[in-house]
Amino acid sequence: LAKTTQPISMDSYEGQEVNITCSHNNIATNDYITWYQQFPSQGPRFIIQGYKTKVTNEVASLFIPADRKSSTLSLPRVSLSDTAVYYCLVGDASSNTGKLIFGQGTTLQVKP
Amino acid sequence: GAGVSQSPSNKVTEKGKDVELRCDPISGHTALYWYRQSLGQGLEFLIYFQGNSAPDKSGLPSDRFSAERTGGSVSTLTIQRTQQEDSAVYLCASSRDTFYGYTFGSGTRLTIV
Repeated sequence: LAKTTQPISMDSYEGQEVNITCSHNNIATNDYITWYQQFPSQGPRFIIQGYKTKVTNEVASLFIPADRKSSTLSLPRVSLSDTAVYYCLVGDASSNTGKLIFGQGTTLQVKP
Repeated sequence: GAGVSQSPSNKVTEKGKDVELRCDPISGHTALYWYRQSLGQGLEFLIYFQGNSAPDKSGLPSDRFSAERTGGSVSTLTIQRTQQEDSAVYLCASSRDTFYGYTFGSGTRLTIV
């Protein structure tokens, strides 16, 4: 399973765009990149998943360069309610051992 | 149901007692996972069930921990002879298969006194 590295914490202000970058230098051909969001006292929530280039949904965008050794989660115009821990995970979509290994995540603090 | 349901939501038990935690996955989800999260920490993988295959127990921290999944649906995580270091939030998740995003329950907060 590819190891991921992401910043421990980030601060932002309401209305700003937030970009959280994750490094995964040993990503394998069959690996997908998935991001989860976790609020206090809740289980993580799936945000977005991608393999290459760009993926966008109603919550966020995910940018993956051609070498796939990193990815960037982009949250447009954050609000106070976006304060949470964000996890970057890499997993093999073709394998039956589908467990995802969570790291420490990035704690995003959005300030007024 | 609409989401992953876990019970109880909170459990306080004396050291040395056994506890059972229950997880009701989303109907039709073949994969089920248990994780543990200690205060201020990330998620620690415990065990994974996929269909009728043998479970992946590689994350269970000791032989005091065991889990079952009956009929491919409900799962029970059992901790025998609980210790104070077992105090944590135990999270269950399910997914349609290994590729799609997981849906987590709200967890069971276990406190050993």
